[in-house]
Amino acid sequence: GENVEQHPSTLSVQEGDSAVIKCTYSDSASNYFPWYKQELGKRPQLIIDIRSNVGEKKDQRIAVTLNKTAKHFSLHITETQPEDSAVYFCAATFNDYKLSFGAGTTVTVRA
Amino acid sequence: GAGVSQTPSNKVTEKGKYVELRCDPISGHTALYWYRQSLGQGPEFLIYFQGTGAADDSGLPNDRFFAVRPEGSVSTLKIQRTERGDSAMYLCASSGQAGANVLTFGAGSRLTVL
Repeated sequence: GENVEQHPSTLSVQEGDSAVIKCTYSDSASNYFPWYKQELGKRPQLIIDIRSNVGEKKDQRIAVTLNKTAKHFSLHITETQPEDSAVYFCAATFNDYKLSFGAGTTVTVRA
Repeated sequence: GAGVSQTPSNKVTEKGKYVELRCDPISGHTALYWYRQSLGQGPEFLIYFQGTGAADDSGLPNDRFFAVRPEGSVSTLKIQRTERGDSAMYLCASSGQAGANVLTFGAGSRLTVL
């Protein structure tokens, strides 16, 4: 099955700086890569996703890049704000429903 | 409904007891998923329904776990003879069609087995 590794496990950044989270996956057939944000005690919420026919996708301060050859993808958050503090999960799937999640990255934005 | 609804939000039970966790997906969503999230980990796939049938139950850890979706809407996850290791957050998600893979999660049911 698919195995997703996520780094770092924790990330502390100064407000206004950028944050980068990296994930690698094992199954070259994977073709869909979503990112979820989970605030303390709340449900995971999709913030951005990318499909394997695209190398980069951007939505305001959030961007995701995908390198299929190397089997890794990354989340970039620019101009971080305190409300960006949360746990972020990457995921991958090849069959459209069985998402394999990384272990998560706890992001803390220092004011 | 407007979102995925899960009940109960918290369940404390004793080892060996039977529990049921309920999920009410977004109205009209045909696909429903159960995931389990242990503390400090990402969600792990348990089972996926397309309509009334379990299309993939390969993530269920053992035969103490079972899930149903008799009318293609509400689903119930059933755990028999609970063990302390079953303690986790159980998340339900739904999506608009098979293969849409944009999952909307519920707030989860936190199960604690004493």
